[in-house]
Amino acid sequence: DAGVTQSPTHLIKTRGQQVTLRCSPKSGHDTVSWYQQALGQGPQFIFQYYEEEERQRGNFPDRFSGHQFPNYSSELNVNALLLGDSALYLCASSRQGAANTGELFFGEGSRLTVL
Amino acid sequence: AQSVAQPEDQVNVAEGNPLTVKCTYSVSGNPYLFWYVQYPNRGLQFLLKYITGDNLVKGSYGFEAEFNKSQTSFHLKKPSALVSDSALYFCAVRDLKGGATNKLIFGTGTLLAVQP
Repeated sequence: DAGVTQSPTHLIKTRGQQVTLRCSPKSGHDTVSWYQQALGQGPQFIFQYYEEEERQRGNFPDRFSGHQFPNYSSELNVNALLLGDSALYLCASSRQGAANTGELFFGEGSRLTVL
Repeated sequence: AQSVAQPEDQVNVAEGNPLTVKCTYSVSGNPYLFWYVQYPNRGLQFLLKYITGDNLVKGSYGFEAEFNKSQTSFHLKKPSALVSDSALYFCAVRDLKGGATNKLIFGTGTLLAVQP
């Protein structure tokens, strides 16, 4: 049973560039959430996707955008990168409806460094 | 607004001794509370949750947590600590506002260091 997989695991970008991070949810899951974890802090909610739509967005600027595909996988895009965007980006999956057990299942994360 | 607080940045305990990692919460309505563990350069792993029912919740790797409504606390405990328990621990509460399901609000984390 494959868990949540994310790619790439590490990447380095320079200010102003754009980045795309990818996530495949746990088998049987249909909902994907993205979190940003800055160094020394807890994860912060960016947004959630279900049925290929953004269901809710956290307090992040429009430079952060996402997408969900029909196979439930998801992408996180960040434009015009700032130094402050350096963080571990975590993808988490879950299920909707009666099969929802309440907890999120996290991937290993993508470590983004902006120089 | 829903929130959790972890008052200790770090907890030090000797191997074999009991450990407690503290968490207090602030919610409107009934709380849905979670504990996650994060090893260095890894994602978060689910340990346990409180939704309803018994105040003592048992989870993975011998961990348990006690829900205390009067003290608005959800402390993580283990009777006998292992060196391998050394990691970063996060308390979280489900945020019921908005259209997202299972949206979690995390505390700032507590680093658990178990000395051999």
